[in-house]
Amino acid sequence: DTGVSQDPRHKITKRGQNVTFRCDPISEHNRLYWYRQTLGQGPEFLTYFQNEAQLEKSRLLSDRFSAERPKGSFSTLEIQRTEQGDSAMYLCASSLRFGTRNIQYFGAGTRLSVL
Amino acid sequence: GQQLNQSPQSMFIQEGEDVSMNCTSSSIFNTWLWYKQDPGEGPVLLIALYKAGELTSNGRLTAQFGITRKDSFLNISASIPSDVGIYFCAGPRNNNDMRFGAGTRLTVKP
Repeated sequence: DTGVSQDPRHKITKRGQNVTFRCDPISEHNRLYWYRQTLGQGPEFLTYFQNEAQLEKSRLLSDRFSAERPKGSFSTLEIQRTEQGDSAMYLCASSLRFGTRNIQYFGAGTRLSVL
Repeated sequence: GQQLNQSPQSMFIQEGEDVSMNCTSSSIFNTWLWYKQDPGEGPVLLIALYKAGELTSNGRLTAQFGITRKDSFLNISASIPSDVGIYFCAGPRNNNDMRFGAGTRLTVKP
């Protein structure tokens, strides 16, 4: 399968624990995005990378959140000291920017439950 | 918060019926995208629109980019049970992050 891959698909953790999610984008895509989606809502932008550079962060990305894309390929999203409000689906998307066209393709997501 | 308003929020239809949903924005978008999301999965791209007035089809799906560039419509003809899911409109903000509507939840009764 050559689509966007996310791991794990589900994560259950206790409040206060740290969690890390991984995203492998479509191989030729230079841009990678993280979104958060809560029940009944559309995805909300968190951050994006162009190659290994993190170019934008949303105000939703608190200090407890950090994302990396060390070699411009896969990315990790870490949440420290998880809170119950962090429970959500975390989606990764990738794209290959071409002119003004920037179609994002999504992975299946990681569903986080904080108890 | 969300800048795109989708309606209706949910639809319950009989198999075989046609479906129409729309998305409006207070801002102009240069691209409109329609995604479908099944439970527990990520959004899957259905149709991309790049020009005002553009009408594009993908099988039984047809989408239009409104002339004002502030709205878009998605129509599904002859619905089938596998059309069930949540349909999201989306538009890029500054060609970077994508803004999504809250979705239209479609239920198709056999």
